[in-house]
Amino acid sequence: AQTVTQSQPEMSVQEAETVTLSCTYDTSENNYYLFWYKQPPSRQMILVIRQEAYKQQNATENRFSVNFQKAAKSFSLKISDSQLGDTAMYFCAFMRVGQFYFGTGTSLTVIP
Amino acid sequence: DAGVTQSPTHLIKTRGQQVTLRCSPISGHKSVSWYQQVLGQGPQFIFQYYEKEERGRGNFPDRFSARQFPNYSSELNVNALLLGDSALYLCASSLRDPAGRGYEQYFGPGTRLTVT
Repeated sequence: AQTVTQSQPEMSVQEAETVTLSCTYDTSENNYYLFWYKQPPSRQMILVIRQEAYKQQNATENRFSVNFQKAAKSFSLKISDSQLGDTAMYFCAFMRVGQFYFGTGTSLTVIP
Repeated sequence: DAGVTQSPTHLIKTRGQQVTLRCSPISGHKSVSWYQQVLGQGPQFIFQYYEKEERGRGNFPDRFSARQFPNYSSELNVNALLLGDSALYLCASSLRDPAGRGYEQYFGPGTRLTVT
């Protein structure tokens, strides 16, 4: 069975600073996808970034980037130039043939 | 284009009752997945449908069932409700085959179910 672990229940960062959220996963599969989702207080889950396991290059989407370490089964999210609108729950997710497994989330607060 | 829509927004039921939740995917999306999110936890995968066929099932009891219609909308049914079924139920849709590359999904706002 696949498991996803987010070891930081809560984090905070000053506006304009950089923060890194951690995620590890456990799988015996070789081909899979990893995702970071953001869930603001309004509760709608929004895709932040996606990484295919067969790609060595780390994914980047504007201020969001990942550090994907396949051998270590690690998938961290870096948010640069943090903005107040980044305040939300962040979930790391693993996907294999359509089955999704989510971590327990990290609550990020951006401080003005 | 409209995003994933779910109805109703909120629902209150009594233990032992049955409930039906509805989801309309983004236009053109053929895959729908259902998740249960208990307060303070990450979503738990319940079902996935692609082209009206069940493609995946999470570790939920048989009281939970779902189906996908020819227009790709979906319903989630829960029978014999328990207090522990109280949660936010999320629906997500995807354009692609979940077994294929490039798969990603888009979530609806959810249905908040309270069982008393």
